[in-house]
Amino acid sequence: GAGVSQSPRYKVAKRGQDVALRCDPISGHVSLFWYQQALGQGPEFLTYFQNEAQLDKSGLPSDRFFAERPEGSVSTLKIQRTQQEDSAVYLCASSLDRVGSPLHFGNGTRLTVT
Amino acid sequence: KNEVEQSPQNLTAQEGEFITINCSYSVGISALHWLQQHPGGGIVSLFMLSSGKKKHGRLIATINIQEKHSSLHITASHPRDSAVYICAVRLNSDMRFGAGTRLTVKP
Repeated sequence: GAGVSQSPRYKVAKRGQDVALRCDPISGHVSLFWYQQALGQGPEFLTYFQNEAQLDKSGLPSDRFFAERPEGSVSTLKIQRTQQEDSAVYLCASSLDRVGSPLHFGNGTRLTVT
Repeated sequence: KNEVEQSPQNLTAQEGEFITINCSYSVGISALHWLQQHPGGGIVSLFMLSSGKKKHGRLIATINIQEKHSSLHITASHPRDSAVYICAVRLNSDMRFGAGTRLTVKP
C-alpha cells in the first residue's frame, strides 16, 4: 500500500476485555514503532522492532501490553485485561532503517475502554 | 521532566501572519522531526533535521545543535495550517515527543 495502515480505526472495549491492534507498515520498511497518545498529549514511545526482532520494549506500561512482528512486516499490539487508563490513540510508524530515515505514521487506532 | 519542551502550547493567529513554534531538548539526538497532526487524522512528517535549515513551501525549520533548539516557521499562514505541530527527537531506538503546539489560524 501507499502508506502505513492501522486497523481498526476505532475500538471500544469493556474493561477487562483483550484487544488486538494491527499495523501494516510500508512494504520494505525495516523499523516499526508503536506509540501511545493520550488526549491532548504528545505521543509516547511503547516499543520498537527491527524486522522481526523487538529491540526495545521499555515503553510498554505493563505486562498487559504485548507486541509482536513475527514475519518482519505486519505488527500486532495486544492489550490484555484492558483498563480505563489504556484509553488512547495507538500510533504505528515505520521507516526504512533505524536512524536517518523519515518516519511514516499510520492514522492510529483510537481505543476507548468503558 | 520532559526531555522535549515546546512553546507555545497554544497559538492563535490571523491569516497571513508569520508563525514561529519553538522546541528545546535536553538529550543528545541523531535527528529532530517536525510533525503535523490534524484533528482526527494521522501524523505527517514535515521535516527531519540534523543540522542547519530546511525549507518546504511556506514552511521553514531550523536547528541549533549546540543550543539544543529548533524552530518551525510558517510564512503567510493560512487557515488550512491549523493543526497540532509536534517536535520529536530521534535517539537510537526510540523517539521522544514534545506535547505539541495547537495552532489555529483565523481567516
